[in-house]
Amino acid sequence: EAGVAQSPRYKIIEKRQSVAFWCNPISGHATLYWYQQILGQGPKLLIQFQNNGVVDDSQLPKDRFSAERLKGVDSTLKIQPAKLEDSAVYLCASTKGGGDTQYFGPGTRLTVL
Amino acid sequence: AQSVTQLDSHVSVSEGTPVLLRCNYSSSYSPSLFWYVQHPNKGLQLLLKYTSAATLVKGINGFEAEFKKSETSFHLTKPSAHMSDAAEYFCVVRGNNAGNMLTFGGGTRLMVKP
Repeated sequence: EAGVAQSPRYKIIEKRQSVAFWCNPISGHATLYWYQQILGQGPKLLIQFQNNGVVDDSQLPKDRFSAERLKGVDSTLKIQPAKLEDSAVYLCASTKGGGDTQYFGPGTRLTVL
Repeated sequence: AQSVTQLDSHVSVSEGTPVLLRCNYSSSYSPSLFWYVQHPNKGLQLLLKYTSAATLVKGINGFEAEFKKSETSFHLTKPSAHMSDAAEYFCVVRGNNAGNMLTFGGGTRLMVKP
């Protein structure tokens, strides 16, 4: 069974530019999560989708971050415009249902200069 | 509300000696608890999980953890460290509410000396 796929693996941009990350969850997994992991810290949940609907986006900085999962499968996380403090690893995870184990992708490492 | 405190940011052991990574949690619900490992430039991998069954949980690669409700602890142990165990370890709590939200600790970096 293929794992959670993410791309790109690395991205370097300048502040005020825009960037997008893509995630393809494990086949059949209805729930998808985006996390932000700042260097030296544990991951922090940004947004949770159940199929194509948002379950929790209370920690998503909505003035600059947006995410969508239009067809209930893959998802895109966007930052516009980026700030220096957005430098982090962005992790995607998925589960079959709400109470199941979350499986994580390899992450996208974003550097904002 | 839920939170996790990993008591050591760095732990250094010699190969072949026991490993102890400490974790305390706080949760308004009966929690599910996890340990994840993160090797450099790799994704998070589940080591083990506690979901209200046996309090001593065995995981992959010889790791185990014991849930102690009276101490609100979920420490991770391994009898004998291997060089390949060097990585970042995260203790995670999940409240049994609708969102399945995970709260991560700050992580413990395990270093293994030859």
